[in-house]
Amino acid sequence: DTGVSQNPRHKITKRGQNVTFRCDPISEHNRLYWYRQTLGQGPEFLTYFQNEAQLEKSRLLSDRFSAERPKGSFSTLEIQRTEQGDSAMYLCASSLGTVLQETQYFGPGTRLLVL
Amino acid sequence: AQSVAQPEDQVKVAEGNPLTVKCTYSVSGNPYLFWYVQYPNRGLQFLLKYITGDNLVKGSYGFEAEFNKSQTSFHLKKPSALVSDSALYFCAVRDASFTGGGNKLTFGTGTQLKVEL
Repeated sequence: DTGVSQNPRHKITKRGQNVTFRCDPISEHNRLYWYRQTLGQGPEFLTYFQNEAQLEKSRLLSDRFSAERPKGSFSTLEIQRTEQGDSAMYLCASSLGTVLQETQYFGPGTRLLVL
Repeated sequence: AQSVAQPEDQVKVAEGNPLTVKCTYSVSGNPYLFWYVQYPNRGLQFLLKYITGDNLVKGSYGFEAEFNKSQTSFHLKKPSALVSDSALYFCAVRDASFTGGGNKLTFGTGTQLKVEL
């Protein structure tokens, strides 16, 4: 399978705990994005990497959220001191980053439930 | 700022009939426009995009969309709907002139398509 993969697919945690999600993009893609999707809404942009550089962060990304892409390949999204409002589907996408090839391809998502 | 509106929460059509899912957008510059489909508990699957060129773009599974700059619309269409087309459809936009931060997409709230026998 050469698509975007995300792990874990589901995560249940208690309020106050830390969680970390992983995203493996399509191998030749240099751009990687994180989005969050809550029930009944479209995905909302969180952050974006070009290679290992984090170039943009949304105001949605509070101080409790941190993302890394240390070698320009896979990425991790960590949420510290989780809150019930963090419950959502976290989606990762990747793209080639050229004008005609900038389609973002999405992974299956990680569904987080904070109790 | 860029935004997308999908005015219909749900669209119902009979199998074999044509379908249309509406999308309007707002950007400062020229738009890049996308349609994605989402099946339950799954990620988004790319259907088609408009970057430049012909206003009518064709995509996967027989879907097409027409870019209308004067009406700022990008409606999704299919000549003959299938029951298997039933899913949640999202329209998304990126401002092509925005060079400061890559190409984040802004999505609409989605339209649930239900195709009935």
